[in-house]
Amino acid sequence: ETGVTQTPRHLVMGMTNKKSLKCEQHLGHNAMYWYKQSAKKPLELMFVYSLEERVENNSVPSRFSPECPNSSHLFLHLHTLQPEDSALYLCASSQAGTANEKLFFGSGTQLSVL
Amino acid sequence: DQQVKQNSPSLSVQEGRISILNCDYTNSMFDYFLWYKKYPAEGPTFLISISSIKDKNEDGRFTVFLNKSAKHLSLHIVPSQPGDSAVYFCAASSGGGADGLTFGKGTHLIIQP
Repeated sequence: ETGVTQTPRHLVMGMTNKKSLKCEQHLGHNAMYWYKQSAKKPLELMFVYSLEERVENNSVPSRFSPECPNSSHLFLHLHTLQPEDSALYLCASSQAGTANEKLFFGSGTQLSVL
Repeated sequence: DQQVKQNSPSLSVQEGRISILNCDYTNSMFDYFLWYKKYPAEGPTFLISISSIKDKNEDGRFTVFLNKSAKHLSLHIVPSQPGDSAVYFCAASSGGGADGLTFGKGTHLIIQP
């Protein structure tokens, strides 16, 4: 398998549920990202991990909790979400510190909160 | 306040003609610009990029133009093909490092047969 893979592709959860999104990158990159895409909005950067250390939080609500156990894996733990959190959640990776850095995205998890 | 703006939510172009997608930015610290293409139910894929030291970059049917004084860039696709129908996102970054990219809202390009 190559690139950036995300699971699950689709997730429906109630507001009291706890679930986790998983991301794995096979590109040997040293930085990983969570982005949120809501309808008719730009992609919003949620979290950045560089060398497994979180470097940016962007004022994301605490009901979203990221975890990066190593440079290849990234999780987004979800609990007590709201219906307005329904969106496409995209994981990306890059080789930070290189000139003209590009992000490589996974296919995303389409999340619906009921 | 949006730092990267794509003011056209959608654009319809006839097959074989030129597609021109526009993007404006406000942050003068941006020094690297990218275009991503996104199909439904898939993540964005990198298409083409340009550094602020250049004003043009070409890759096959795709050309990106950068006008730094106007803080404007555009993506030209010629000739347009049905497979080009997708949402195109403009993105920008500054300074390198793991800062992520700042994206526009996207333009939905529809290629008419």
